[in-house]
Amino acid sequence: QVQLVESGGGVVQPGGSLRLSCTTSDFIFSNYGMHWVRQAPGKGLEWVAFIRFDGRLKYYSDSVKGRFTISRDNSRDTMYLEMSRLRTDDSSVYFCAKDPNPHAAQGDNWFASWGQGTLVSVSS
Amino acid sequence: FMLTQPHSVSESPGKTVTISCSRSSGPIDSYYVHWYRQRPGSSPTIVIYEDNQRPSGVPDRISGSIDKSSNSASLTISRLKTEDEADYYCQSRDATNSWVFGGGTKLTVL
Repeated sequence: QVQLVESGGGVVQPGGSLRLSCTTSDFIFSNYGMHWVRQAPGKGLEWVAFIRFDGRLKYYSDSVKGRFTISRDNSRDTMYLEMSRLRTDDSSVYFCAKDPNPHAAQGDNWFASWGQGTLVSVSS
Repeated sequence: FMLTQPHSVSESPGKTVTISCSRSSGPIDSYYVHWYRQRPGSSPTIVIYEDNQRPSGVPDRISGSIDKSSNSASLTISRLKTEDEADYYCQSRDATNSWVFGGGTKLTVL
């Protein structure tokens, strides 16, 4: 059973920084592309960022480009999201999600497994 | 592009409901459409992938389709059960390498 566990959420002031982690188990992490998806309280889902299985290709949504950095450590089966210059509208539950198929060169088209999410609140 | 869903739908147990997902620009069949269910307090789970494929464990009373004439996709749930009550999101991909979700539809089974 694929396990994805997010951590690192919390309360941060506008303009501040935070690093989220997604620790995984029960699949070969280094073979799969991974994503961050967020959900503001009471709102819908918003894709945030993607990193290819080998870490060499990354995509970002326009709303976070230049402020957030996605990375991964395949030796630790862990993905990260470094968030800086945080704004109040970044307040959300952040989910990590996994590609369904291994070795997708441009990332796969849907999200096969999701973690339980970690809450980020940006407030003064 | 955007994916537009009705904000909410409701139907009685045992009936059939269809949730639409309209693509604002570009052909609906340019990229596959996928559907997720999110129950309150839980993370999303896939119920239909690649327009009409059901993952293992999803019952065959849940189905997906696309309609090129209306440039939209649909999720149909028949023989509704109270356990189907949830938020449903459609999702597709963009040529600019982004993944796009619809705004979500709240299904009430009353």
